[in-house]
Amino acid sequence: DAGVIQSPRHEVTEMGQEVTLRCKPISGHNSLFWYRQTMMRGLELLIYFNNNVPIDDSGMPEDRFSAKMPNASFSTLKIQPSEPRDSAVYFCASSLRQGRTDTQYFGPGTRLTVL
Amino acid sequence: QKEVEQNSGPLSVPEGAIASLNCTYSDRGSQSFFWYRQYSGKSPELIMSIYSNGDKEDGRFTAQLNKASQYVSLLIRDSQPSDSATYLCAATLSGNTPLVFGKGTRLSVIA
Repeated sequence: DAGVIQSPRHEVTEMGQEVTLRCKPISGHNSLFWYRQTMMRGLELLIYFNNNVPIDDSGMPEDRFSAKMPNASFSTLKIQPSEPRDSAVYFCASSLRQGRTDTQYFGPGTRLTVL
Repeated sequence: QKEVEQNSGPLSVPEGAIASLNCTYSDRGSQSFFWYRQYSGKSPELIMSIYSNGDKEDGRFTAQLNKASQYVSLLIRDSQPSDSATYLCAATLSGNTPLVFGKGTRLSVIA
């Protein structure tokens, strides 16, 4: 079975450029999560979707960040314009929410470096 | 605000010993608890979940939950060098709220 798929795996860009990260959740899952991980702050939830609808984007650091989920099998996280402090590993995770069960499965992550 | 606290470590244990990883949470309403393992440069992977007070065993791993003390632990018996990783504790209030992760404890098993 295919797990969560993310692309690209690595991205190096220059400050001011637009960056788009992509995620394909596990088929049949109804929730999708975008996280950012750094050494200093650990794993931070940026935004999550239930049934393709954004539920909570309070973790999105600022207006430069936006996320979409046009259908159940695809989501994007966009940073425009990018800044060096955005350098981090970005994970996408998905889950099938049933009752209190919410086991999240993580993708391999995108390592973003903004120069 | 819900918080999950872990000692960052590193926690060093000799091969074959029991590794004990601890986690506390601030929200008394938290109902579901998870332990994830993350190898360096890799993504977190689920190793245990626990919902009720007491112990839950799975192979060499035992998760322990004490809701009165708001405390979750993970025991790894017969620790192996391959267990060396960062262990993330996570909690959720209910199925409708996302997980809150601790910052993780780095475990080093010395051969």
